[in-house]
Amino acid sequence: ETGVTQSPTHLIKTRGQQVTLRCSSQSGHNTVSWYQQALGQGPQFIFQYYREEENGRGNFPPRFSGLQFPNYSSELNVNALELDDSALYLCASSLYSGSVATDTQYFGPGTRLTVL
Amino acid sequence: AQSVAQPEDQVNVAEGNPLTVKCTYSVSGNPYLFWYVQYPNRGLQFLLKYITGDNLVKGSYGFEAEFNKSQTSFHLKKPSALVSDSALYFCAVRDRSNTGKLIFGQGTTLQVKP
Repeated sequence: ETGVTQSPTHLIKTRGQQVTLRCSSQSGHNTVSWYQQALGQGPQFIFQYYREEENGRGNFPPRFSGLQFPNYSSELNVNALELDDSALYLCASSLYSGSVATDTQYFGPGTRLTVL
Repeated sequence: AQSVAQPEDQVNVAEGNPLTVKCTYSVSGNPYLFWYVQYPNRGLQFLLKYITGDNLVKGSYGFEAEFNKSQTSFHLKKPSALVSDSALYFCAVRDRSNTGKLIFGQGTTLQVKP
C-alpha cells in the first residue's frame, strides 16, 4: 500500500511569485485535504476536495486554490506569494465512508515552502 | 466554535516511566477526537481516534487515550515510554461543518530521556 506522497520536498520562491504543490493520495483514498503548518504552530485547514470539487475551505484568501484529478491526486496553487506564506504544506488523504466527520486523514511528509 | 487546547508545551519523562500528554476540547455536540505525532521534518502520523463507544481508545505503537466527557479531556497515555517516542504530539477535533476539517492544538513536545 502506497502512502501519501508530496512534491517537491522543498521550494524557495520570492514574494509575488506563484507556486504549485502536488499530492498523490494513499491507495484507495478518494478525498484530499490541504493544511498549512507555520513554524511552531499546529496545522491550519486550507480546503478539502472530494469528487474533484472543493468541499469546504478554511480561513484562507482566494489566492489559495486547488484541484483534484480523476485519479484523486491533487494540486495546491498559491498566487502572489507573501512572506507569511512560508510554511510546511501538508496534504492528507482519506476514504469517504459516508461521513467526513469520522474519516481518518493520513498525512504526507509535506512541502517546505520558503518565500523570500 | 470547536477548539482544542494542549496546556503543556513540553513534557519530560524518563524512559520506562508512564507518560501522559494532555488535551482538552470545546465542542458543541459529540466530539470526534484524534491524536497525531510528528517527527522532525516529517508529516503527521495518525495514532488513534475517538468517535463513540469505549472511553479508552487503543492506538498505534502502544499508545492509548482516555476520553472523559465530564472533564472534556482526551489525554494521550503510554504505560512505558521509549526514547524513540520523543516527538511533537498534536490533539485535534473534527469541525462540525461537514468539510472534514481538523482543528489542531498547538502541539506538545515529548522528551523521553534514557
